[in-house]
Amino acid sequence: DTEVTQTPKHLVMGMTNKKSLKCEQHMGHRAMYWYKQKAKKPPELMFVYSYEKLSINESVPSRFSPECPNSSLLNLHLHALQPEDSALYLCASSQDQRSEQYFGPGTRLTVT
Amino acid sequence: GENVEQHPSTLSVQEGDSAVIKCTYSDSASNYFPWYKQELGKRPQLIIDIRSNVGEKKDQRIAVTLNKTAKHFSLHITETQPEDSAVYFCASTSGTYKYIFGTGTRLKVLA
Repeated sequence: DTEVTQTPKHLVMGMTNKKSLKCEQHMGHRAMYWYKQKAKKPPELMFVYSYEKLSINESVPSRFSPECPNSSLLNLHLHALQPEDSALYLCASSQDQRSEQYFGPGTRLTVT
Repeated sequence: GENVEQHPSTLSVQEGDSAVIKCTYSDSASNYFPWYKQELGKRPQLIIDIRSNVGEKKDQRIAVTLNKTAKHFSLHITETQPEDSAVYFCASTSGTYKYIFGTGTRLKVLA
């Protein structure tokens, strides 16, 4: 299985809502990533988990809270988001720190 | 900080012609250079990659070259087809889990 899955595919939420994005991989990869991608822009790194520990936080606002319950799962908890947070949120995984990243299909988030 | 410059931002070619996209990286410790293709509404997918101990790699119609001295790497697509139309991103990493992406090139292959 060489696939990264993400749920939900689409999410519309108000600025006072709390929601979570989920990501799963069963390739035995030890690194998992959250990226934010705006239209016509490259993916922008948010967080990296390595061996289930947070190793990179790219100064992301605290309204985004990552969680890695186990080596196959990655969550992104969302609370009190702003309209400018609307974007495609991509999860990725890789075997190590200099290997191919496999991306999930993304969650299209709209904040109203 | 580290960055990757990518050119051109848009590229239109006739079907059957070649396309070349160039990237320049700033971190001399970079040692892995992937190229991703992203079709509209889809996820980025790796099309080819190269490591710093190799100067060139080829996979059918796609090739990547790396010049470590100049900190340049390039994607070459030969015999382009309409299905090659997409946005292409280069990236680099020095092994810190931080992959730095280029700004992207929108390739249009005209039939």
